[in-house]
Amino acid sequence: DTAVSQTPKYLVTQMGNDKSIKCEQNLGHDTMYWYKQDSKKFLKIMFSYNNKELIINETVPNRFSPKSPDKAHLNLHINSLELGDSAVYFCASSQVHPSDTQYFGPGTRLTVL
Amino acid sequence: TQLLEQSPQFLSIQEGENLTVYCNSSSVFSSLQWYRQEPGEGPVLLVTVVTGGEVKKLKRLTFQFGDARKDSSLHITAAQPGDTGLYLCAGQYRGSQGNLIFGKGTKLSVKP
Repeated sequence: DTAVSQTPKYLVTQMGNDKSIKCEQNLGHDTMYWYKQDSKKFLKIMFSYNNKELIINETVPNRFSPKSPDKAHLNLHINSLELGDSAVYFCASSQVHPSDTQYFGPGTRLTVL
Repeated sequence: TQLLEQSPQFLSIQEGENLTVYCNSSSVFSSLQWYRQEPGEGPVLLVTVVTGGEVKKLKRLTFQFGDARKDSSLHITAAQPGDTGLYLCAGQYRGSQGNLIFGKGTKLSVKP
């Protein structure tokens, strides 16, 4: 069984559109994350979230918003997509703290045309 | 300025050779992790080091955390084609709000 899954695997869309990426973890973890990996493979934290606290990287535009319907899901909504949003987005989860082992999903490659 | 500097950025070697990847910072890290990422997949944790001077071994991989907890190295002995991938160091420090800060990675290619 896949521990952390993301859908879709690939997403191609036009500038200005709104899109969502879904993430689910079946590990029973309390904390989930979203990362962005750019074309140079640089991986950067966007959000970390558990049922008590959302920590937002201050460099993330407010067009990006995480939504958690329950502990096992953390979806990423992106409004008014821009060319620079093209990247691979990874969801991850850990038991409680970021220092606990983080398990990453397979990634969603977003291409904005 | 990159908080975690990884070097080299690219490394192409022959099977059987040894190599070392470095991860350096001017900040003190409470913990440091090494990940390996293959194309089309997410990073997978290899090791976590938390104590200054700590050395951990994982088969042919040796990880070291600097005494001052500002740097780390990954040494691979007798590299094999299966070691090919992107190696990422990541750490937590006081200003990261507990979150992991990643280096830019080292892309390793081991040719048979």
